[in-house]
Amino acid sequence: DTGVSQDPRHKITKRGQNVTFRCDPISEHNRLYWYRQTLGQGPEFLTYFQNEAQLEKSRLLSDRFSAERPKGSFSTLEIQRTEQGDSAMYLCASTPGGNTIYFGEGSWLTVV
Amino acid sequence: AQKVTQAQTEISVVEKEDVTLDCVYETRDTTYYLFWYKQPPSGELVFLIRRNSFDEQNEISGRYSWNFQKSTSSFNFTITASQVVDSAVYFCALSELGNTGKLIFGQGTTLQVKP
Repeated sequence: DTGVSQDPRHKITKRGQNVTFRCDPISEHNRLYWYRQTLGQGPEFLTYFQNEAQLEKSRLLSDRFSAERPKGSFSTLEIQRTEQGDSAMYLCASTPGGNTIYFGEGSWLTVV
Repeated sequence: AQKVTQAQTEISVVEKEDVTLDCVYETRDTTYYLFWYKQPPSGELVFLIRRNSFDEQNEISGRYSWNFQKSTSSFNFTITASQVVDSAVYFCALSELGNTGKLIFGQGTTLQVKP
């Protein structure tokens, strides 16, 4: 499978706990994006990386959220002290630098 | 500011009917890309098409066709002879040319094709 891979696909956590999602982009794609999608809405941009550099962060990305891409390959998105409002699907996407962006299957987060 | 509007929240058709999904966008950029994605229940966003702002030619791919009209800022998507497997949420999206390439999505249209 050479698509964008996300793990875990589903996560249920108690409020206040930390969670981490991983994304493996398509090989040699230098741009990587994180989006958040809530029920009935379109995905919303959170942040993006050009190789290992995080170049833009949305105002949606509160200080409880942190994303990394340490070696310019896979990326992690960590949410600290989760709140019920964090319940959503977190989508990762990658592109080789052109303008066609390929998405993964998403990681569903439920905060109880 | 950039914005994408998909006014149709849900559409229900019977198999073999044609259906058009509307998309209207707003941008101050003169160069941009427009996209359509399909999201089946599994959640993955499946890329369908990308169109740049300089290319207003309509495109056809099998049962799918797209009508881009810059004058009305619309990029509509038509499925001909719909099938049950077409049932999904469809998103229209806009991105700046170059720069970050990040996408601005509409709210999506849920298409249900009944047998």
